[in-house]
Amino acid sequence: QQPVQSPQAVILREGEDAVINCSSSKALYSVHWYRQKHGEAPVFLMILLKGGEQKGHEKISASFNEKKQQSSLYLTASQLSYSGTYFCGTEMPFIQGAQKLVFGQGTRLTINP
Amino acid sequence: KAGVTQTPRYLIKTRGQQVTLSCSPISGHRSVSWYQQTPGQGLQFLFEYFSETQRNKGNFPGRFSGRQFSNSRSEMNVSTLELGDSALYLCASSLDGLALSYEQYFGPGTRLTVT
Repeated sequence: QQPVQSPQAVILREGEDAVINCSSSKALYSVHWYRQKHGEAPVFLMILLKGGEQKGHEKISASFNEKKQQSSLYLTASQLSYSGTYFCGTEMPFIQGAQKLVFGQGTRLTINP
Repeated sequence: KAGVTQTPRYLIKTRGQQVTLSCSPISGHRSVSWYQQTPGQGLQFLFEYFSETQRNKGNFPGRFSGRQFSNSRSEMNVSTLELGDSALYLCASSLDGLALSYEQYFGPGTRLTVT
């Protein structure tokens, strides 16, 4: 039930926009987004809990289409500091004892000056 | 608040040995989850502890076990180490709740190398 992220890697110039998608074959309760820089721990970006919910954090925002079982992360006017690997983590509807966050394979984002 | 701490940061073990990793969550966090990260498999969920009880478990063999203490600190144990156990082991803490829909704060990880 691992979600599928696309693209697997993307290279941008500073100031360009990027979209990272996360799709699941199962119904989702929530989607979490994390960013991990090389050699560091993953850092929380945002959680989307409801279908259609959109959240934003500076120039990074995300949407959650519950019906399509997918989420997208939008990076606008990318900065060098946005470089890293982005992971989506999906959580299925509550089943006692079965709650866990299943992460996608990650999308490696490289921002060049 | 201090972040999640993990000890040791690096570890080299030989096949067949066992290892114990430690994680101290953020103060006030009662849920601790463990993940294995490898280049090939990505971030894989091992288990989650809440109030000293294992609440959720991933698809790993019984060689992987853990526990949580009354102060929410957690340990993870791997017995009979195999070469394939070489990985970065991450622990993450979050506030209490029945669902995992709280942001998780990851520790720096323990890099385990099995030779």
